Amino acid sequence: ELKVEQNPLFLSMQEGKNYTIYCNYSTTSDRLYWYRQDPGKSLESLFVLLSNGAVKQEGRLMASLDTKARLSTLHITAAVHDLSATYFCAVGSNSGYALNFGKGTSLLVTP
Amino acid sequence: DAGVIQSPRHEVTEMGQEVTLRCKPISGHNSLFWYRQTMMRGLELLIYFNNNVPIDDSGMPEDRFSAKMPNASFSTLKIQPSEPRDSAVYFCASSFLRTSGALSEQYFGPGTRLTVT
Repeated sequence: ELKVEQNPLFLSMQEGKNYTIYCNYSTTSDRLYWYRQDPGKSLESLFVLLSNGAVKQEGRLMASLDTKARLSTLHITAAVHDLSATYFCAVGSNSGYALNFGKGTSLLVTP
Repeated sequence: DAGVIQSPRHEVTEMGQEVTLRCKPISGHNSLFWYRQTMMRGLELLIYFNNNVPIDDSGMPEDRFSAKMPNASFSTLKIQPSEPRDSAVYFCASSFLRTSGALSEQYFGPGTRLTVT
């Protein structure tokens, strides 16, 4: 069974600071997704990472994938309050369709 | 495109009642997923359809849950009878499965918040 672990699960950080969220998974996969969820809202796709070494950036967020280490990171640069949300990583299973979600990282950016 | 559409957005019902949740996937997508989200268990895949056919329903909790996809633009998730432990947010998501076997990213609907009292 594919297991996905995110850490930290809770993160409180000051505006302007940098931080990294980690996503480890247990078996081989070449598809990894990052989603954002605001309270009471749906999941919004942030990044799709499909190959080893893939790096994608959007604004203050940058995601990377190391398939050999079975690790993805979501790096936050100079955090702002608007980034406060829960971030999920999801890993594609070998069956081809299922996504296994991590428990999510609840991020709070404070002034 | 309007994205994935779900209805109702909120549903409050009494234990024992039948509940039907509805989903309209993104036009052109051939794969549809039902998820349940709770604080305790996070996001759980309930069932997956491809080309309107249920492929994997191993995540359906028990026989009280059933799902149908009569055509490419509509799916339902039914709970009968409902119980308080079914209270959760139910998401529908759709994507496109290519002939190569590669699946596009999943797009989630706004969800249905179900409360069973």
